[in-house]
Amino acid sequence: NAGVTQTPKFRILKIGQSMTLQCTQDMNHNYMYWYRQDPGMGLKLIYYSVGAGITDKGEVPNGYNVSRSTTEDFPLRLELAAPSQTSVYFCASSQYSTGELFFGEGSRLTVL
Amino acid sequence: KQEVTQIPAALSVPEGENLVLNCSFTDSAIYNLQWFRQDPGKGLTSLLLIQSSQREQTSGRLNASLDKSSGRSTLYIAASQPGDSATYLCAVGYTGNQFYFGTGTSLTVIP
Repeated sequence: NAGVTQTPKFRILKIGQSMTLQCTQDMNHNYMYWYRQDPGMGLKLIYYSVGAGITDKGEVPNGYNVSRSTTEDFPLRLELAAPSQTSVYFCASSQYSTGELFFGEGSRLTVL
Repeated sequence: KQEVTQIPAALSVPEGENLVLNCSFTDSAIYNLQWFRQDPGKGLTSLLLIQSSQREQTSGRLNASLDKSSGRSTLYIAASQPGDSATYLCAVGYTGNQFYFGTGTSLTVIP
């Protein structure tokens, strides 16, 4: 009954460091998404994927990269971390493009 | 640019009261609309999903309605309980796997 699993839950980075946020889903969903949530703002789409090997940019992709080598995994890579990337990151998946979204618990990232 | 607005930003009600949360959107060419609940420090939990061809969905004490022509959805919570205290977000789905989220309504139910 895991659903969407994100790791790590918390991380502090120094400016210029890089890291990868992991996301795994066990529902065999084709569609996966990365969002960021900032205080007072709605969730913003960073990247999404419609299946293994296929990814596309969302509204705020700068400073991030993704890959989708398997149906289950959709890691988000942050290169050269900046304070503007301090946020809570959510991974989500859905079975269809118009289907119900299922979210992970989030990864809280602070860049100092 | 699609915009999704949720008013009020915060709401406080006594236990047992029925309440309505609002979600409005600028582009009526939607695929679906989804309501979520978010507890502090947690992820989003799906409450109800309404497809564009539907007018409403019900789950227990929750009822969500959709009026595409006016660009509005409401989430009705009957007989509110302290455990309903959370932030409620709506997300509007469009073509191209684009979902636009409101900033949420923070609900406090006072015992």
